[in-house]
Amino acid sequence: EAAVTQSPRNKVAVTGGKVTLSCNQTNNHNNMYWYRQDTGHGLRLIHYSYGAGSTEKGDIPDGYKASRPSQENFSLILELATPSQTSVYFCASGDTGNTGQLYFGEGSKLTVL
Amino acid sequence: GDSVTQTEGQVTVSESKSLIINCTYSATSIGYPNLFWYVRYPGEGLQLLLKVITAGQKGSSRGFEATYNKEATSFHLQKASVQESDSAVYYCALSESGGSNAKLTFGKGTKLSVKS
Repeated sequence: EAAVTQSPRNKVAVTGGKVTLSCNQTNNHNNMYWYRQDTGHGLRLIHYSYGAGSTEKGDIPDGYKASRPSQENFSLILELATPSQTSVYFCASGDTGNTGQLYFGEGSKLTVL
Repeated sequence: GDSVTQTEGQVTVSESKSLIINCTYSATSIGYPNLFWYVRYPGEGLQLLLKVITAGQKGSSRGFEATYNKEATSFHLQKASVQESDSAVYYCALSESGGSNAKLTFGKGTKLSVKS
C-alpha cells in the first residue's frame, strides 16, 4: 500500500485559476514537504511542515500557499495559477530528527494554460 | 546555501557495462551532511536507493554503490554491470545531520538509459 498518496495525479488549469494539490500520508510522520521538479532544475522545495497547523517556506515559496490541517494531510495551493507553475509536484513525508530519508508520492503533473 | 552538483543530462550505457554518475556537494552550514541517492523509475515517485550518514562509509543497494568522501566532498554512484531495468532518473541529495528539520537539497538529476 502506498504510504504517500497525491491527488490529482494530472491537472490542467487555466491561467488565473485556483489549484489545490492534496497529499495524504499514512506513515505517521511529523514532517511533510512539497517539491516541484523541472527539467534542468531537479527538485526544489516549495513549502514544508513540522506537524498539524505548521507551514514553513522552502526555497521557492512565491506564488504558493500550504495548509497542514492534520498529521496526515498537507495541501499545496496556487491561488492564481500561472504558466510558469507548469511542473510535476511531489509530496513527501519524513520523521522528525531522522537522517533525512523522505518518502515520496508518485507526483502530480500540473499544466497551466 | 547548500548545493549538489551531479552529472547533468542523460547518460546512455550498454547493458552489462559499468556506470558512474558523479556527485559533488557543498554544505556551507554543516560539516557532515547526510548523503543520499534517490531514483525515479518511469511513472513512479522517487524512492531511496541508498544513503550514507558517516564520512568514509560506503552504501550499497541493488548492485549500486556510493562512498562518502568528505575530503573530496563527493558521493559518486557506481555500478559494475547495468541492466535495462536500471533505466531511470537518479538524484543525488544531502540533508543536515541531526535536527528536527530534515530538508533535502537535490541535484538536477541524471537520466540513465540502458540500451540492449
